[in-house]
Amino acid sequence: ETGVTQSPTHLIKTRGQQVTLRCSSQSGHNTVSWYQQALGQGPQFIFQYYREEENGRGNFPPRFSGLQFPNYSSELNVNALELDDSALYLCASSSDRKFYGYTFGSGTRLTVV
Amino acid sequence: DAKTTQPTSMDCAEGRAANLPCNHSTISGNEYVYWYRQIHSQGPQYIIHGLKNNETNEMASLIITEDRKSSTLILPHATLRDTAVYYCIVRPDNTDKLIFGTGTRLQVFP
Repeated sequence: ETGVTQSPTHLIKTRGQQVTLRCSSQSGHNTVSWYQQALGQGPQFIFQYYREEENGRGNFPPRFSGLQFPNYSSELNVNALELDDSALYLCASSSDRKFYGYTFGSGTRLTVV
Repeated sequence: DAKTTQPTSMDCAEGRAANLPCNHSTISGNEYVYWYRQIHSQGPQYIIHGLKNNETNEMASLIITEDRKSSTLILPHATLRDTAVYYCIVRPDNTDKLIFGTGTRLQVFP
């Protein structure tokens, strides 16, 4: 059983650019959530996808968007990057709507300069 | 906002039990208590969760008070690899969203 994998592990972008982060869910998991974790803070919920549709969103602007594919892999897209977008971005998957706990990936460290 | 309050940091000697407290005085009847931990440079790791009863698994025990307003995570024999930030989270039954606070930084020393 594979866990959640994220790519890339590290990324440096310039303010105003766009970025795409990728996530492969754990086998058998059809729900994926994305979290943003600023330095020294707990993860903050961005949004969740269930069977390719957005199924809940946190307090993040529309320039944060996502996709979930039929194989349950997922992407997080951020447009018009700002310096404050620098953070660790975590992907987490879970199985079905019966929630026992997320499996998190190790994250993508995004630095915006 | 997180609905839990945890101490900022704690120390524990290797081999001793680590008892991490959490206050969740506004918890509702359908809300679960979850514990995750995050070791440096890794994603959070699920530890345990419970609703009303005490729970135990291979990693830890969760003790929830009768009024459900607080809980304690117990690592029975802490090791150096248990050094991490531990998050106590209250999750409503009708959502998968986890609201993290700033957690407790547990330092296990030799």
